[in-house]
Amino acid sequence: EPEVTQTPSHQVTQMGQEVILRCVPISNHLYFYWYRQILGQKVEFLVSFYNNEISEKSEIFDDQFSVERPDGSNFTLKIRSTKLEDSAMYFCASSGGTGALSGANVLTFGAGSRLTVL
Amino acid sequence: QQQVKQSPQSLIVQKGGISIINCAYENTAFDYFPWYQQFPGKGPALLIAIRPDVSEKKEGRFTISFNKSAKQFSLHIMDSQPGDSATYFCAARGRYNQGGKLIFGQGTELSVKP
Repeated sequence: EPEVTQTPSHQVTQMGQEVILRCVPISNHLYFYWYRQILGQKVEFLVSFYNNEISEKSEIFDDQFSVERPDGSNFTLKIRSTKLEDSAMYFCASSGGTGALSGANVLTFGAGSRLTVL
Repeated sequence: QQQVKQSPQSLIVQKGGISIINCAYENTAFDYFPWYQQFPGKGPALLIAIRPDVSEKKEGRFTISFNKSAKQFSLHIMDSQPGDSATYFCAARGRYNQGGKLIFGQGTELSVKP
């Protein structure tokens, strides 16, 4: 079964450092997302990406965050200068098969990248 | 209001019992309501979903009941098994949101005792 792959599984960084989290979405999907989950809390939307641009972002996704699809397979989340409160599990997700609206509904999540900011 | 409120926060059920998790929303523009199951160390995985034009959807032991007028929906797990022990999230998507952004509830940690 196709899956979303995320690396690294766990990253520890110092406050103020830049972090890049990487994702390989399902190959024929069109929509890409980043969500985060602070320990014990709900899953929160960060950003959605379609047709090589951000289609929507939350208030959490401030100027410290950026996303990129540098090639045909990878989707990255960059946090420019990490803060303690950025510590969370970051999930990449993708959706949308060959253009049917219903395909956009089914988000497939990766296993997550745990970010710990010290 | 872009919130989805979920209860209870945690639930303990005996094997073979029925697990019921409830969610409520305010935004009438939501038109798609999925439930996700998350095991420790894993990402959420789609379990079952419903659109507001039906009142119930059943897939195996899992049933979503939907009350459009009350703006509530619930997940029922029949014959609950220890393997069902996980965190369950309800979610909703806006009708005009083509990008598939989901608003998640707070999650319910289900523990099924043997």
